[in-house]
Amino acid sequence: GQQVMQIPQYQHVQEGEDFTTYCNSSTTLSNIQWYKQRPGGHPVFLIQLVKSGEVKKQKRLTFQFGEAKKNSSLHITATQTTDVGTYFCAGGGYNFNKFYFGSGTKLNVKP
Amino acid sequence: DGGITQSPKYLFRKEGQNVTLSCEQNLNHDAMYWYRQDPGQGLRLIYYSQIVNDFQKGDIAEGYSVSREKKESFPLTVTSAQKNPTAFYLCASSIVREDTQYFGPGTRLTVL
Repeated sequence: GQQVMQIPQYQHVQEGEDFTTYCNSSTTLSNIQWYKQRPGGHPVFLIQLVKSGEVKKQKRLTFQFGEAKKNSSLHITATQTTDVGTYFCAGGGYNFNKFYFGSGTKLNVKP
Repeated sequence: DGGITQSPKYLFRKEGQNVTLSCEQNLNHDAMYWYRQDPGQGLRLIYYSQIVNDFQKGDIAEGYSVSREKKESFPLTVTSAQKNPTAFYLCASSIVREDTQYFGPGTRLTVL
């Protein structure tokens, strides 16, 4: 069945370095959502992308949805210690019956 | 103050006992979900409900049961048939399926 794959599983960066996590689906997604989960916390919605090729920015975060609507990325410029956490993508197909979360990328930022 | 609440935050149970986790939302959302998260892993869908008195199995429904008698409430029962119940359980809701999901703070269940 359709699943959403996410890489890398872990990423350790020095504060100030950039970070990117990638999300891939074997089938076309109706939309892609990104969530952040701080250590010990619960996932919090960041953004939703709907259109093919869409790019959205939130301060140092840049989100992209691929032209084929099968992949997405989240890029953080100049990471800060407040960026620490696990970033999840989530998406579903057009039949609205299946909606999957990626396995997440755990980001650790060294000060 | 609108939101989604789960109780309790921590729960300990003896092996072989059924336990019910509470999830309440006052966001007027139609859809509600239960996820299980194991250490270092992603979210796996247990059950979801798109409307009152209706719910569907997710990917790992075996050993769990739910009810949706009210729009605001979606309790999850972890039965003794669940082989590995110790985990972090997250409840979420959204206006409709496929929409932004709002998560509760979660319940950490430990079965001794």
